[in-house]
Amino acid sequence: DAGVTQSPTHLIKTRGQHVTLRCSPISGHKSVSWYQQVLGQGPQFIFQYYEKEERGRGNFPDRFSARQFPNYSSELNVNALLLGDSALYLCASSLDDRVKLFFGSGTQLSVL
Amino acid sequence: SQQGEEDPQALSIQEGENATMNCSYKTSINNLQWYRQNSGRGLVHLILIRSNEREKHSGRLRVTLDTSKKSSSLLITASRAADTASYFCATDAGSGGGADGLTFGKGTHLIIQP
Repeated sequence: DAGVTQSPTHLIKTRGQHVTLRCSPISGHKSVSWYQQVLGQGPQFIFQYYEKEERGRGNFPDRFSARQFPNYSSELNVNALLLGDSALYLCASSLDDRVKLFFGSGTQLSVL
Repeated sequence: SQQGEEDPQALSIQEGENATMNCSYKTSINNLQWYRQNSGRGLVHLILIRSNEREKHSGRLRVTLDTSKKSSSLLITASRAADTASYFCATDAGSGGGADGLTFGKGTHLIIQP
């Protein structure tokens, strides 16, 4: 079975632009979470979706939004990009909420 | 914000030796999980220990949990070069609604010298 897939793998944007990151969970997983990992730090929780509904939101500004589609894939959108948004964005899927997350390889976003 | 703090930040040992890393956290938890990350890419789940458990084993991994001290340790026995990676502890402190996700520490970077 395919693991969690994320696209694109790398992205370069300039300040003020908008970005959309995509994630396909493992087949059968209904929960998708997004994490931001800044270099040298651990991942920080952004959103969790379960059965297409937002289950949780971390301490991120409203410029960050997400959604989950009927096939359980998910998008993370970030508006008005700032230099500080440069990070590795990780998507994770799971069968059950926060137990045993399966992570994708991430999207490396660079904001110039 | 980071709930967990791993210690040490970096650890270098010889192949075949045991590696121990520690994690401290701040709030009550439902469970604590350890993940491995190679070269800044995706994380891999290693082991989960629930708040009512004190010790758990999985292959060469041994995890302990002391909820009174709000701390956990991960022991990797008979280390191999392939164990070179960053190791993160992650706590689940939510009430079941997923509101807070997992809270990760800053990680321990483990280097296994051949």
